[in-house]
Amino acid sequence: DAGITQSPRYKITETGRQVTLMCHQTWSHSYMFWYRQDLGHGLRLIYYSAAADITDKGEVPDGYVVSRSKTENFPLTLESATRSQTSVYFCASRPREGQEEKLFFGSGTQLSVL
Amino acid sequence: GQQLNQSPQSMFIQEGEDVSMNCTSSSIFNTWLWYKQDPGEGPVLLIALYKAGELTSNGRLTAQFGITRKDSFLNISASIPSDVGIYFCAGLTGGGNKLTFGTGTQLKVEL
Repeated sequence: DAGITQSPRYKITETGRQVTLMCHQTWSHSYMFWYRQDLGHGLRLIYYSAAADITDKGEVPDGYVVSRSKTENFPLTLESATRSQTSVYFCASRPREGQEEKLFFGSGTQLSVL
Repeated sequence: GQQLNQSPQSMFIQEGEDVSMNCTSSSIFNTWLWYKQDPGEGPVLLIALYKAGELTSNGRLTAQFGITRKDSFLNISASIPSDVGIYFCAGLTGGGNKLTFGTGTQLKVEL
């Protein structure tokens, strides 16, 4: 099916482990984003990418690494997971500049760090 | 950074009631967006607003872009059970690539 998909849907890991969350979109959208959702904070931007090989920090980038070697994939890596990174993570994409309202979200990855 | 405060944080209403929620900011935004998040899913865009004072409807939903450009409002008329979810506002400043999201309003509908 076309669209934006995230995997895994649920993940439990331990403090200090490396974890990678996957995001794949089939629309060839230029922009891709990673958000985390926490109670009382809404959605906060972690990293975004305007195109392949172009990434930039968002509001809360510390402890996360991203890459975008291909337009359709935008993985998010927690290099050494901490309990404060327990959250629901959403990937999103949109076509290009000037179409900020055309933001499409994946279904999310619920991550628990024990 | 910019913050968007939504109120109420949550609400529990009877089916058929009208619902109002708002979003306020200390900063000016050029675009206001309203999203709905169903349980276990990502947010989906409901309404986009582009001009101060603009009033836009989408079915039973009506949203307004505040005159001061620092707030926005969402109304849902005659609520139904499928309106359950979390409603987020989001604002965009001119030329920016990044939306600022509100803290969310959780809506629960009692049959």
